[in-house]
Order: sequence, then C-alpha cells, then structure tokens
Amino acid sequence: GAVVSQHPSWVICKSGTSVKIECRSLDFQATTMFWYRQFPKQSLMLMATSNEGSKATYEQGVEKDKFLINHASLTLSTLTVTSAHPEDSSFYICSARDVGEGQYFGPGTRLLVL
Amino acid sequence: SQQGEEDPQALSIQEGENATMNCSYKTSINNLQWYRQNSGRGLVHLILIRSNEREKHSGRLRVTLDTSKKSSSLLITASRAADTASYFCATDRTSGSRLTFGEGTQLTVNP
Repeated sequence: GAVVSQHPSWVICKSGTSVKIECRSLDFQATTMFWYRQFPKQSLMLMATSNEGSKATYEQGVEKDKFLINHASLTLSTLTVTSAHPEDSSFYICSARDVGEGQYFGPGTRLLVL
Repeated sequence: SQQGEEDPQALSIQEGENATMNCSYKTSINNLQWYRQNSGRGLVHLILIRSNEREKHSGRLRVTLDTSKKSSSLLITASRAADTASYFCATDRTSGSRLTFGEGTQLTVNP
C-alpha cells in the first residue's frame, strides 16, 4: 500500500517551454500533497504544500506564478513549471500524506532544460 | 531551511557490519521519519517514530528517539551492499504539517 506515482519520470525541454508533472496517490486518498526539488548531492527542499480543493501554500522564495500547482482531486496533484529555464533543471519529487501521518514519496521527475 | 542535521555525512562499511546514523533537530516534533534514497530515485519510507516513543524496530532497522536531546539514530544491522543509499531523517512539528528534512547520510556498503 501507500504507493505514489509521478509522470513523467524524466523530461528534456527547450528553454521557454512549460512542463507539467503529475503526482498520483494510487491506493489511498491524500488531502495534502507536497512538492519538493532536490539538487545533486543535496537534501530535499519543500517548494509548496498542496491541499485538495484550495490554493497551494508556497515556501518563501518560490515563485507561485512560475510553479503552478493544481490539486484537483484527492489522488492527483500537478506541478507546472512555466517558461522553464536551465536553472529550473532539477529533480522534482512529490509526496502524499495519508491519514496515518506517514508521508510517501513519488519516484521523482528529472527535468533538464536546454 | 533544513532544521535537521545528520552525521556522519558519509559512512563506508563492509558488508555484514552494522551502520549507525544520527539525526538532530531543533524544535519540538510530532513525529520523526527515516527515508532511504537510492541515487537518482525517489524516497522510500522506512520507519516512523512518534514523539512519545523511544525505540522502534522493523526488520534489520532499529530507530531510537531521545526528545530530551532532540536526536534520533537509525541502526541498520548486518548491512548488505543493497543498503547503499542516502538516508534522511524528517520531522514534523504537528500532525499533518510539513516535513523538514535533514541533510542526509550517504551510506556505502562494500561487498
């Protein structure tokens, strides 16, 4: 149980394009999902907290117009990186919290912006 | 910002040996979780220990929590080469709140 999927697993795009990443909880409902980014050899940095049916809460320094988050249902949250630039290249990981307080992570999406 | 600190930052051991990783945090917590991350992959949830618990076991894993010292340890017994990964602790301050991650320990188990 407690499986979280992400799609796509990796994406290469040209600078200026937008990229959408999906995060799904497969066998449980998640009222809260989290989006992180991770640079090589570093820990995870929380970008935003996504609550189903409401606006996401962004961490300080994260541009909400740059990283659009939609949490349309109890099993799906999406992160759209708008007008991506090379500095947005990173490993993006989502997680979903279940009622037991455990937080389960997706496999991550590697984004490379050329 | 990360409130957790982990030591050592890197640990290299031989297969069969035990590995101990430590995590310290700064504020009061609701619970503490340990995760494993293989290179370039997502995080795998290993174990959750609540603030009112002192020790927890799961297979070859043993986690302790000392809230007076604001620290936790993860012990992996009889390590295997497949245990090679980065290990992170993460805390939350209240039920359902965001997780704060430590900097991680890179464990290498040599066959």
